[in-house]
Amino acid sequence: QTVVTQEPSLTVSPGGTVTLTCASSTGAVTSGYYPNWFQQKPGQAPRALIYSTSNKHSWTPARFSGSLLGGKAALTLSGVQPEDEAEYYCLLYYGGAQLVFGGGTKLTVL
Amino acid sequence: QITLKESGPTLVKPTQTLTLTCTFSGFSLSTSGVGVGWIRQPPGKALEWLALIYWNDDKRYSPSLKSRLTITKDTSKNQVVLTMTNMDPVDTATYYCARLSGYDLAGYWGQGTLVTVSS
Repeated sequence: QTVVTQEPSLTVSPGGTVTLTCASSTGAVTSGYYPNWFQQKPGQAPRALIYSTSNKHSWTPARFSGSLLGGKAALTLSGVQPEDEAEYYCLLYYGGAQLVFGGGTKLTVL
Repeated sequence: QITLKESGPTLVKPTQTLTLTCTFSGFSLSTSGVGVGWIRQPPGKALEWLALIYWNDDKRYSPSLKSRLTITKDTSKNQVVLTMTNMDPVDTATYYCARLSGYDLAGYWGQGTLVTVSS
């Protein structure tokens, strides 16, 4: 069974920079996994931020960026705002259109 | 404006079959590259992808739940239906539907519907 792993929790200071990662149990994450990233705040549906590694939606703030880093998908927040405190999920596409979410990263802004 | 909304029972009994409907607007499920997927989230836990149906009626399921899931579409009604058989209390979750377009795997989400499995 394929497992996608994210950091369970991270803490960042307001105005700081933080990178969240997303790893696959099958090996290095490449662009062919089309990593997507989502933000979820308590009591809300997830909101899409990044698709296909680094593409932003029209509503995605400029401080969010996606990349590949050391065999993982990465989401970087630069100039973190208090409202960025949330759970973040990655989603990877596997051959045959199987999709697997990561376990989520709880980001605290403190 | 793209919107999706999930509907269905809020309470089902163990062993029953769950039927959820996703009604959407602002896009067509007959457009090449477009799909609608179902995702669930148990209380306090992570998201879990369940199933996906494409514009060409190609269907994909989570391997761990494949035997219990069926996804269908009614393009004329702008609806996608998910059925899950043999419900168990561990299936208690908020169920979401979302639109897929190319490798934008879930750009638009419904608000979700909480389904509780209890006798």
